Amino acid sequence: AQSVAQPEDQVNVAEGNPLTVKCTYSVSGNPYLFWYVQYPNRGLQFLLKYITGDNLVKGSYGFEAEFNKSQTSFHLKKPSALVSDSALYFCAVRDMGKALGRLYFGRGTQLTVWP
Amino acid sequence: DTGVSQDPRHKITKRGQNVTFRCDPISEHNRLYWYRQTLGQGPEFLTYFQNEAQLEKSRLLSDRFSAERPKGSFSTLEIQRTEQGDSAMYLCASSSRMTGGGTDTQYFGPGTRLTVL
Repeated sequence: AQSVAQPEDQVNVAEGNPLTVKCTYSVSGNPYLFWYVQYPNRGLQFLLKYITGDNLVKGSYGFEAEFNKSQTSFHLKKPSALVSDSALYFCAVRDMGKALGRLYFGRGTQLTVWP
Repeated sequence: DTGVSQDPRHKITKRGQNVTFRCDPISEHNRLYWYRQTLGQGPEFLTYFQNEAQLEKSRLLSDRFSAERPKGSFSTLEIQRTEQGDSAMYLCASSSRMTGGGTDTQYFGPGTRLTVL
């Protein structure tokens, strides 16, 4: 079975501070991992993905994510948060043995960055 | 705009009516996905096409739901005899074939918000 857990429904951080949005996953094999962001009444925008290799993945808008196989985690990070980063963030996983087909999404984490 | 487009953006219907949504993928993307997203949840997979072939269907896709992708271009998702539980955001995504290994990236449209009264 494949699944993703985002343990925090909400994350609040002050502008300029570092942010972390947590994600843990479960797959039978090795994972492909993704982060998407969703603004109100909009579809999902792709931020970054982990395929293999370097555990630190850099993505759009200054975001990065760190893959940790032993902890089965793929936390999203940004060194300095912006108010405009406030949005709903989704982690998703796909088993590497199934390179095509569906993604399994977490429930999402609402990030609020206050001025 | 060369992204994924969906039409309509909003649909309000009465219980028991049929509705149809359209998705136009990014040009030359051969894979197309439908997901459903309810409030407070992440997107849930419904079905997947590679070109015109429907390769995977979720158990969420009851007999009242049907999806097509004629000629491997745009896709339609039809819901017959709508129920209030069908109220959700219906998201379409597309992706292209990966070369050299790895996995494709799904790019999402803005969604169609369905409200069933």
